[in-house]
Amino acid sequence: KAGVTQTPRYLIKTRGQQVTLSCSPISGHRSVSWYQQTPGQGLQFLFEYFSETQRNKGNFPGRFSGRQFSNSRSEMNVSTLELGDSALYLCASSLSTSGGIQETQYFGPGTRLLVL
Amino acid sequence: EDQVTQSPEALRLQEGESSSLNCSYTVSGLRGLFWYRQDPGKGPEFLFTLYSAGEEKEKERLKATLTKKESFLHITAPKPEDSATYLCAGEGGSYIPTFGRGTSLIVHP
Repeated sequence: KAGVTQTPRYLIKTRGQQVTLSCSPISGHRSVSWYQQTPGQGLQFLFEYFSETQRNKGNFPGRFSGRQFSNSRSEMNVSTLELGDSALYLCASSLSTSGGIQETQYFGPGTRLLVL
Repeated sequence: EDQVTQSPEALRLQEGESSSLNCSYTVSGLRGLFWYRQDPGKGPEFLFTLYSAGEEKEKERLKATLTKKESFLHITAPKPEDSATYLCAGEGGSYIPTFGRGTSLIVHP
């Protein structure tokens, strides 16, 4: 069974640009969550999507957005990039139908974003 | 505001030297306490979910326990391949998981 895949794996952008990251969940998983991981703040929850609807959202500015498609694939977008957005962005999928992460989450390898 | 604090930040053990990692939490309406393992350059790997105080779960050399204020990850007779960062997360009534900063474990042969 294929795992969670994320593309691209590495990305370099400059301040003010925007970026779109992609996540393909495990087949059959309908919940996709996004996280930001930095040395300073650790792993922080961005948002969760289920059946094309955002179900939960963390405490991040509106520059961070996402969407989910009918095949459960998800994208997240960061507009007007800032230096502090440099991080590892992780996607996780699960079978979850009840909200939250009580169902086992399977993480992808992440996209490492560097903002110059 | 939910908070999760892990200690120690780093731990070095000799192979076979058992120890415990601590996860203290303040999570309103705790629905679940989760442990993950993360290897360098990889995403976290799920280990355990604990739902209520008194619950214990085991997997190979790892055992996770939960009280009303903290969780412990006990590592019995660790091997070098157990070296990783161990993350703890709590999720409460907000349905938003809060992660600790992790404990970096190195097991020397």
